[in-house]
Formats: sequence, structure tokens, C-alpha cells
Amino acid sequence: AQTVTQSQPEMSVQEAETVTLSCTYDTSENNYYLFWYKQPPSRQMILVIRQEAYKQQNATENRFSVNFQKAAKSFSLKISDSQLGDTAMYFCASDLTGANSKLTFGKGITLSVRP
Amino acid sequence: EAQVTQNPRYLITVTGKKLTVTCSQNMNHEYMSWYRQDPGLGLRQIYYSMNVEVTDKGDVPEGYKVSRKEKRNFPLILESPSPNQTSLYFCASSLRPGLEEAFFGQGTRLTVV
Repeated sequence: AQTVTQSQPEMSVQEAETVTLSCTYDTSENNYYLFWYKQPPSRQMILVIRQEAYKQQNATENRFSVNFQKAAKSFSLKISDSQLGDTAMYFCASDLTGANSKLTFGKGITLSVRP
Repeated sequence: EAQVTQNPRYLITVTGKKLTVTCSQNMNHEYMSWYRQDPGLGLRQIYYSMNVEVTDKGDVPEGYKVSRKEKRNFPLILESPSPNQTSLYFCASSLRPGLEEAFFGQGTRLTVV
């Protein structure tokens, strides 16, 4: 079965420090995309970063970067210089079926940034 | 501004009273989808539509209906809501589902009593 697993329900980090959010997935597909979405208290779902599975280079977007290990089926998100505005729930997601019809989401992780 | 608009944002209703949650997008996306978000379960897909008049079931379609008569609109219909449909609902659209960014509506918090 195609699944996305986020095993940590909650994490906390001090402002200005670095935190890594874990995500693993299971798929028999060879080519797919992986996403991290942020959901702040406003409930709006916001794309943080996207990774193409056939690209070996890890994606980066300003303070956000990923550690993509295709063989291990691991896709972690690193947030550097954490800011109070990073406090949110973060979801890992991917279309693992190859049908380009849906995103499978992990259960999400609640990140709290402490001042 | 590119956006997906859902209405209403909050809704409290009684068991069995039919309701519709509207969703509209202005990006000319062919693909639209509905998800429900529940604590500890993440987002689960209810229905999706690859184009006008083309809809298909997602992972949790029971108790829901959708229609896609126009490209921009994709309403979610609960013919006879039950308390287990109390949830946070999101509509999303995408240019290339699973490949490109999905744009989400603001969410609809539904409570069925």
C-alpha cells in the first residue's frame, strides 16, 4: 500500500535553532514528487517545498531544505534559523500511485517554536 | 490573485439536513479535489475530478456527493449528514495533480449535531 508516515506527532524548537521533521513513505513507483505543506493556525495549507524523486539534488527554499534519501524512502524537512512564524502543523505528501490523481498525506506534525 | 474559494468557512447543522459546501477556483485548473482533515489522520481524499463531468471516488467517499458542471466549480454535497462527518474540509485544485503545487481553499469547519 502507498503510505506516508510521519511518526513524530509534536516537536518543539527554540527560536533561531534548527529542527528536522521526519517523513517516510512507501511506493513501488520510480518517479514521483514529494511535498511538504505547512498549516498555520489560520488553517490555510501552504506549500513549503517540493522534491522530484528523479533528482538527486536536495531541494532548498530559503531556510527550508530537504534531505531526500530515495533508497531509504525518506524525505525529511530541515528548518534553519527557526522563527515564531514557523509554528504550524506540517504535512508530508506525495502522489504515490503514479496515477496523478491524488496526494497521500501523512498525519502531520505540530511544530512549536519557542521564543 | 490565484485562489480557491470555499464557502462557508464554518457550518453547524443537524443530522440529516442536506448541505452543500461550495468551491470555486480562478486558475483554470482541470483537476479539483476534496479532502477531509481529522486529528491524527491527516488529510484524506473524498472525491476528485480530472475535468468537467469527470469525477471519481477518493479514499473516503461514503456519505458524500460531488458534481463538476463547470471547470471552476466543484461543490461537495452531504445529502444526509451524520455526526461522523464532523470535520475540517478542504477543496484543492492543481494544474498537474501530484506533480505541481496543489492550491487549497481556506477550509470549512463542519459540525453535525
